Amino acid sequence: DIQMTQSPSSLSASVGDRVAITCRASQNINSYLSWYQQKPGKAPKLLIYGASSLQNGVPSRFSGSGSGTDYILTVNSLQPEDFATYYCQQSYNTPITFGQGTRLEIK
Amino acid sequence: EVQLVESGGGLVQPGGSLRLSCAASGLTLSSYWMTWVRQAPGKGLEWVATIKEDGSEKYYVDSVKGRFTISRDNAKNLLYLPMNSLRDDDTAVYYCARVAPTRYRSGWAFDYWGQGTLVTVSS
Repeated sequence: DIQMTQSPSSLSASVGDRVAITCRASQNINSYLSWYQQKPGKAPKLLIYGASSLQNGVPSRFSGSGSGTDYILTVNSLQPEDFATYYCQQSYNTPITFGQGTRLEIK
Repeated sequence: EVQLVESGGGLVQPGGSLRLSCAASGLTLSSYWMTWVRQAPGKGLEWVATIKEDGSEKYYVDSVKGRFTISRDNAKNLLYLPMNSLRDDDTAVYYCARVAPTRYRSGWAFDYWGQGTLVTVSS
């Protein structure tokens, strides 16, 4: 199974800040990497697919980058609605696996 | 507007069975791969199973193989997850989700999700 490791596990930031969340795969996943945002009691929301493609309707302050085993989700100019938990997910191989999540909190 | 609505969750004893359903509207289910993802209370996301448009291919996480069976009725726009031999660690919110049509170039990303249905396995 491909292990997905996110860092940090939690992060405190302020409105207007720029933050980056990293996701490392235990092997090359060839950019088959998606990012999701989840708020308490809600379903996850797809933000980024194919490592860097922005899902329709997602604000452009979200961006994804990376290749091989290492990927980054960047959020520019944090807005109040961005405070949530973020997950990466690989689909290079089954079983599909998610990172453990990164909780983004207001400082 | 695409909507996915899960149902069928509830409280069941260890060893028992449940069948989850996911009703799709605003899309033609037969055109999409579909998936189930679960989330134990306070924990992260876990992929459970995925099924091809016509049901000819199915994929499962090892922990549910032989116990859960993903299926679909395209004529009724319904996705199913019958679950047998339920265990305590199957307790979770179960989400159905659509596999994005970009899968050929970007892999399986899940672009529409239901609100989830809670399955509690406890004696």
